[in-house]
Amino acid sequence: DAGVIQSPRHEVTEMGQEVTLRCKPISGHNSLFWYRQTMMRGLELLIYFNNNVPIDDSGMPEDRFSAKMPNASFSTLKIQPSEPRDSAVYFCASSLEGFGEQYFGPGTRLTVT
Amino acid sequence: KNEVEQSPQNLTAQEGEFITINCSYSVGISALHWLQQHPGGGIVSLFMLSSGKKKHGRLIATINIQEKHSSLHITASHPRDSAVYICAVLSYSGGGADGLTFGKGTHLIIQP
Repeated sequence: DAGVIQSPRHEVTEMGQEVTLRCKPISGHNSLFWYRQTMMRGLELLIYFNNNVPIDDSGMPEDRFSAKMPNASFSTLKIQPSEPRDSAVYFCASSLEGFGEQYFGPGTRLTVT
Repeated sequence: KNEVEQSPQNLTAQEGEFITINCSYSVGISALHWLQQHPGGGIVSLFMLSSGKKKHGRLIATINIQEKHSSLHITASHPRDSAVYICAVLSYSGGGADGLTFGKGTHLIIQP
């Protein structure tokens, strides 16, 4: 298996623009996680899905952030409108079930100017 | 919310040394993860444990639930072990999982 795939790997955008990050989990994994990593706050769990259903989105910073998982092989994290403080590395991870061993994607480095 | 503290924040050691990284948390948990983040940024899950001890190659992870403390040990350290090691704890409330809370990480450098 190719592992967790994220795209794009790098994104530079201007403040106010919509940003969409994409993730393809490992086939057969039932749980998917979105994380954000910054120097100031470290790694933070934003939202996780189980069997395509959002279970806990309490980590989503505000209404500008939304995440979807339309099917078992695809998820998106959208920021609209983006702000400079959203600049971070966003990781997607998947696991067979729940908070078991997680497999991380390579991350998307987002820069909002 | 669980408070997770890692120590040390930074550690530089010579190749071959025995390394210990510590993680303490404030509230009872159901499981603890150790992650490794390479200089290039990739994250790998090393261990998930809820009691006792696990070993994989030169890495050993232990957890003491009563003391709310876990340690990650590296035996015969090698420059390729240079990375950031991150502890994450999984807490549960009556309604289910509260999610993962992460430590700030320990930046380890092994010099040849």
